Amino acid sequence: SQQGEEDPQALSIQEGENATMNCSYKTSINNLQWYRQNSGRGLVHLILIRSNEREKHSGRLRVTLDTSKKSSSLLITASRAADTASYFCATDAYSGGGADGLTFGKGTHLIIQP
Amino acid sequence: DVKVTQSSRYLVKRTGEKVFLECVQDMDHENMFWYRQDPGLGLRLIYFSYDVKMKEKGDIPEGYSVSREKKERFSLILESASTNQTSMYLCASTYAVPSYEQYFGPGTRLTVT
Repeated sequence: SQQGEEDPQALSIQEGENATMNCSYKTSINNLQWYRQNSGRGLVHLILIRSNEREKHSGRLRVTLDTSKKSSSLLITASRAADTASYFCATDAYSGGGADGLTFGKGTHLIIQP
Repeated sequence: DVKVTQSSRYLVKRTGEKVFLECVQDMDHENMFWYRQDPGLGLRLIYFSYDVKMKEKGDIPEGYSVSREKKERFSLILESASTNQTSMYLCASTYAVPSYEQYFGPGTRLTVT
């Protein structure tokens, strides 16, 4: 199965700065999603971008998708301490035969310094 | 509000025990999933189910089985727990394919001693 790879593995920035995380994947996708996980908790869905979309916004989040490069980026603007978490990209490869699970990357651990 | 619940947040079991992890969703979702999460390995899919009594193997099904007798409930079974199954287990559900966001439960941290 394909897997997304986030970059960097860890990122530490000052509160108020912007944080950018990248994700690369290997094969064609239907959509790409970003999730957040606070320490020791379940994942929370942030945003979904379809393969025919290039950019999507949700509040302070901006996601881009470049299918020619098989990559995506997640930008968090004006970061806050509460944004401290791990961020995962996830890809699907629906084949029409049923529901596949998503394939997750290993995550970027983001720390926002007050 | 969408909700996925898991039966335990923390669980400690002995090697060789049979372990049941329960997951319940209240969203009438067709599809449910079990993942395990390990440091440095990310999330890996164990099993998924797209309908009652239906199941499909994910990437790492060995040592696990599942049961889906009712739409809202998806159980993960460790037939004979081993120490290498110590992990965080995450359940998720989703409504439709192909474009679907998954809703996750809070996770069960299982320790096998």
